Amino acid sequence: ETVLTQSPGTLSLSPGERATLSCRASQSVSTRYLAWYQQKPGRAPRLLIYATSSRATGIPDRFSGGGSGTEFTLTISRLEPEDFALYYCHQYNNSPRTFGQGTKVEIK
Amino acid sequence: EVQLVESGGGLVQPGGSLRLSCAASGFTFSSYDMHWVRQVTGKGLEWVSAMDTASDSYYQGSVRGRFTISRDNGKSSLYLQMNSLRVGDTAVYYCAREQRGGGALDIWGPGILVAVSS
Repeated sequence: ETVLTQSPGTLSLSPGERATLSCRASQSVSTRYLAWYQQKPGRAPRLLIYATSSRATGIPDRFSGGGSGTEFTLTISRLEPEDFALYYCHQYNNSPRTFGQGTKVEIK
Repeated sequence: EVQLVESGGGLVQPGGSLRLSCAASGFTFSSYDMHWVRQVTGKGLEWVSAMDTASDSYYQGSVRGRFTISRDNGKSSLYLQMNSLRVGDTAVYYCAREQRGGGALDIWGPGILVAVSS
């Protein structure tokens, strides 16, 4: 199973700051098969990024993704109040699909 | 509006059974692979099972042999029959649609709680 390790566990930032979230895979993942989701308390996850760097429908361009092989990143260029939430990476290259343990972006 | 809505959750004793349903609307259900993903309260996401458009099924190791996924395209519905339930199966269960040609999960239901306890 491909283990995804996200860092940091918690990111404390202020609105307007830049957030950089990391996702490291235990084995190589094709860039076609890496996604990021946002989840707020009591809500279902929402797809942000798929295929490493493609934004899902309706996702603002302050969200961007990158990386390759075993290292992937999600960047939020300027944090808006609604961006403070949990973020998960997800690989669907190797079976079974797996998710990272999450990074919480909280208001400093 | 594209929508998924789960139902059928609740409290069940260890060893018991439960059947989850997911009603889809706003898209051509038969054209999409569908998934179940679960989340223990306060914890991360765990993929459980999937069924593709050819009705081939896939399972996470810990549920294989106990859970059965199925679909009814005429009713635009996805199901998860859960048998021999364990305390460790307690979680919110989400139904999710897989992007066509992509693989990411682009539409999620609000989730339904399954609690396994004596």
